[in-house]
Amino acid sequence: GAGVSQSPRYKVAKRGQDVALRCDPISGHVSLFWYQQALGQGPEFLTYFQNEAQLDKSGLPSDRFFAERPEGSVSTLKIQRTQQEDSAVYLCASSPRWDRGLGEQYFGPGTRLTVT
Amino acid sequence: AQRVTQPEKLLSVFKGAPVELKCNYSYSGSPELFWYVQYSRQRLQLLLRHISRESIKGFTADLNKGETSFHLKKPFAQEEDSAMYYCALRGGGFKTIFGAGTRLFVKA
Repeated sequence: GAGVSQSPRYKVAKRGQDVALRCDPISGHVSLFWYQQALGQGPEFLTYFQNEAQLDKSGLPSDRFFAERPEGSVSTLKIQRTQQEDSAVYLCASSPRWDRGLGEQYFGPGTRLTVT
Repeated sequence: AQRVTQPEKLLSVFKGAPVELKCNYSYSGSPELFWYVQYSRQRLQLLLRHISRESIKGFTADLNKGETSFHLKKPFAQEEDSAMYYCALRGGGFKTIFGAGTRLFVKA
C-alpha cells in the first residue's frame, strides 16, 4: 500500500520567503508528527496531531512555524520569513493510533529545505 | 529532561563480527524505547521496540533501567546491516526524542 508521502521533495527558498510543506499520511492514520532534521543530527520533534487536533506544538522553534491538519488527513507545515537556520530536512510521520505500546511511526521521505 | 545519547557517530566492523550500538537515555519515568534504521536512499523505519522484546534481522536490544541504556546488538554483522541507526525515547506524552544517530559500516 501507499506509504507516507511528502511534497515537494526539495525546496530552495530565498531568505525571507514563506514556504509550505505538505504531508499525506497513510490513509486512516490518526496520529501525525512533524520533525526537523538538521545535518548530522537525529529528527527533532516539532508538533503532533491527533486527527485534526494539534495536541502538542511544543517543538515549534518560533512563531514563524505553523502547522495544520484541518480535515484530519493531509497536513501542511508552513514557515514564514524563512531564515538560513531553517535549512533542514522536514520529516512527517503517521501512526494508526496512539496507545502506549503501539507507538510505531511510519515516516515519509522528507522535504529538504535549503534557505539561501 | 528527556535525552537520548548515542556516543558513537560511526561504528565500523568486519562482516561476521559482533556489533553493539550504544544508547543511553535520561528520563525519570518508564519510557518506551525504540531503534529506528535508515538504509541508504530509504526512509526512516522502525527496527524494534523494547516492549515487543523481539529480534528483528538478528538484532536485539535490552532495556537496562539501572544503567538507563538500550544498546542494540547483533552477534554476526552482515554487509546489508550498513545503515544509520537512531535510538529513540517516548515518555508519557506524544513527543519522541531521537538520538543523533550512529552510522554502522560493515566491511567485507
